[in-house]
Amino acid sequence: EVQLLESGGGLVQPGGSLRLSCAASRFTFSTFAMTWVRQAPGKGLDWVSLTSATGGSTFYADSVKGRFTISRDNSKDTLYLQMNSLRAEDTAVYYCAKRVTTVTTWGFDIWGQGTMVTVSS
Amino acid sequence: QSALTQPPSASGSPGQSVTISCTGTSSDVGDYNYVSWYQQHPGKAPKLMIYEVNKRPSGVPDRFSGSKSGNTASLTVSGLQAEDEADYYCSSYGGRSNLVFGGGTKLTVL
Repeated sequence: EVQLLESGGGLVQPGGSLRLSCAASRFTFSTFAMTWVRQAPGKGLDWVSLTSATGGSTFYADSVKGRFTISRDNSKDTLYLQMNSLRAEDTAVYYCAKRVTTVTTWGFDIWGQGTMVTVSS
Repeated sequence: QSALTQPPSASGSPGQSVTISCTGTSSDVGDYNYVSWYQQHPGKAPKLMIYEVNKRPSGVPDRFSGSKSGNTASLTVSGLQAEDEADYYCSSYGGRSNLVFGGGTKLTVL
């Protein structure tokens, strides 16, 4: 079964850092763009970042630009999100997701189970 | 980028059809055919139901269909079933490599 498994969430103080990982299995990871989407408790979905299949192109929501960095290691079938200067408003479940096709589109068909990030003192 | 506008709730009886709207602007929904719809049950990850306005991923029942007119996209669920009760989110490419989501619609099967 095609699967994504996030890890790395936890409790961090404001201004702190955290690195999320997303391990992919049973699909050709290196051929698909990947994205991070978050969901604050009781709220809707909020797009965070996207990386191309090679990792050569990366894109960010204005709310995280300059603080978060998306990256991938195609040799390890793993996606990352480095989060610095964390704020209370970054508290959310963070999902990684796979683009539905190998060509440019903005739908994502495989999602991980999510990892909770709590920013609080 | 402003969120897309969805009604907070929708409802229908089993077997009926219900349509959920998603209103954006000429800079997102109106300008690109990159509208997607996601279903999310409580405590679960989102599931892609529709992409590129009206395409269904494999495994999604043909009771789910999508359309777009101008700045408004729509998701129609026909032959409502109890398991369709969930939150539904639309999304659209918003230009400048940016993705925007709607606020979500809670679908209740009466």
